[in-house]
Amino acid sequence: EAGVTQFPSHSVIEKGQTVTLRCDPISGHDNLYWYRRVMGKEIKFLLHFVKESKQDESGMPNNRFLAERTGGTYSTLKVQPAELEDSGVYFCASSQVPSENSPLHFGNGTRLTVT
Amino acid sequence: DAKTTQPPSMDCAEGRAANLPCNHSTISGNEYVYWYRQIHSQGPQYIIHGLKNNETNEMASLIITEDRKSSTLILPHATLRDTAVYYCIVRVMGQAGTALIFGKGTTLSVSS
Repeated sequence: EAGVTQFPSHSVIEKGQTVTLRCDPISGHDNLYWYRRVMGKEIKFLLHFVKESKQDESGMPNNRFLAERTGGTYSTLKVQPAELEDSGVYFCASSQVPSENSPLHFGNGTRLTVT
Repeated sequence: DAKTTQPPSMDCAEGRAANLPCNHSTISGNEYVYWYRQIHSQGPQYIIHGLKNNETNEMASLIITEDRKSSTLILPHATLRDTAVYYCIVRVMGQAGTALIFGKGTTLSVSS
């Protein structure tokens, strides 16, 4: 089966611009998660969707970040306006429901550089 | 915050077993132990998970102590491609889709 795919793999934008990251989960996976790793720091949880609903968005850093999952399939994460500290690698993961102990499967991430 | 403690780094010779320890002394009865790894520039990769019994799959074995306060991930025959950061994570069961919380992990270096 196809894994979690993320697009683009790399993005370089200027401070103040807008960027939209996309994640396609594994088919049939209702759980979708966003994480990010900024330089030198740990991988941090951002938010969790169950189908199209936000289950937990406690990790979202501020209101410049907007995540959507219309229709409960793919998800987008928009950063507007981007700041220098937003640079890092953004990972998406998915898992099955209702298997409550189903492992998360991660994509290879989008490397975002804000200059 | 992460609820596990791991050594920051370990070395292993190629072909030997790599034994990665993890302390989770505050683990609750409804929490699983998960292991992931991240190879440079890739996304985290699931390895194995368990509750209280030892587990084995094609990648590794997981040994959990009887009191569940610590565990060891065993890569039986480490290769150069096993060089990665290994994360030990506890995750609550009974809550569908609970997110994983990553700590600093252990950087395993396998050398020839």
